[in-house]
Amino acid sequence: GQQLNQSPQSMFIQEGEDVSMNCTSSSIFNTWLWYKQDPGEGPVLLIALYKAGELTSNGRLTAQFGITRKDSFLNISASIPSDVGIYFCAGSGRTSYGKLTFGQGTILTVHP
Amino acid sequence: DAGITQSPRHKVTETGTPVTLRCHQTENHRYMYWYRQDPGHGLRLIHYSYGVKDTDKGEVSDGYSVSRSKTEDFLLTLESATSSQTSVYFCAITSSPGTGREQYFGPGTRLTVT
Repeated sequence: GQQLNQSPQSMFIQEGEDVSMNCTSSSIFNTWLWYKQDPGEGPVLLIALYKAGELTSNGRLTAQFGITRKDSFLNISASIPSDVGIYFCAGSGRTSYGKLTFGQGTILTVHP
Repeated sequence: DAGITQSPRHKVTETGTPVTLRCHQTENHRYMYWYRQDPGHGLRLIHYSYGVKDTDKGEVSDGYSVSRSKTEDFLLTLESATSSQTSVYFCAITSSPGTGREQYFGPGTRLTVT
């Protein structure tokens, strides 16, 4: 089946630093989604991408849909302590009933 | 926030017992999904539904069954729970996978099988 490789697995950064994480797929996707999960809660959608090459921002977050349609990245600028959590990428194909394939997650720790 | 609730939120059960988890939505969305989350695996799809009484298997469906008798409820059943089914279970919904394609998740159910 489809596989997503998300990297890095974890990051330890200082407050104010920029963060970058990415996902690569063995298959082409038509949708890339980025989620954040806080402890004990469900994933919350951060950014949705629908077109190859698309670059979308949500506040300090910026994500891009790779032109090969097999990768995506998420950048967080000027990190703050509340950015701590697990970030997941997820992809969906064209005729998949919206079924998502998830990356393994990136655990982000921000030191004040 | 999407109107999704899951019950129970926590459950401890013994090996071999049946368990049913409930997902309830107030958004009238057609598509509903059950995922499990385990360390190092992200979220993996168990079953999904594309309408009332229309369901299909996901990536890790062995040992699980589902039912959807009305739009708002999607039930996940473990017929005979095993320790390997100890996990956190999430329900998700979307209005249309062909257009918006964004899935919104419930708060999760933590299941422990002893």
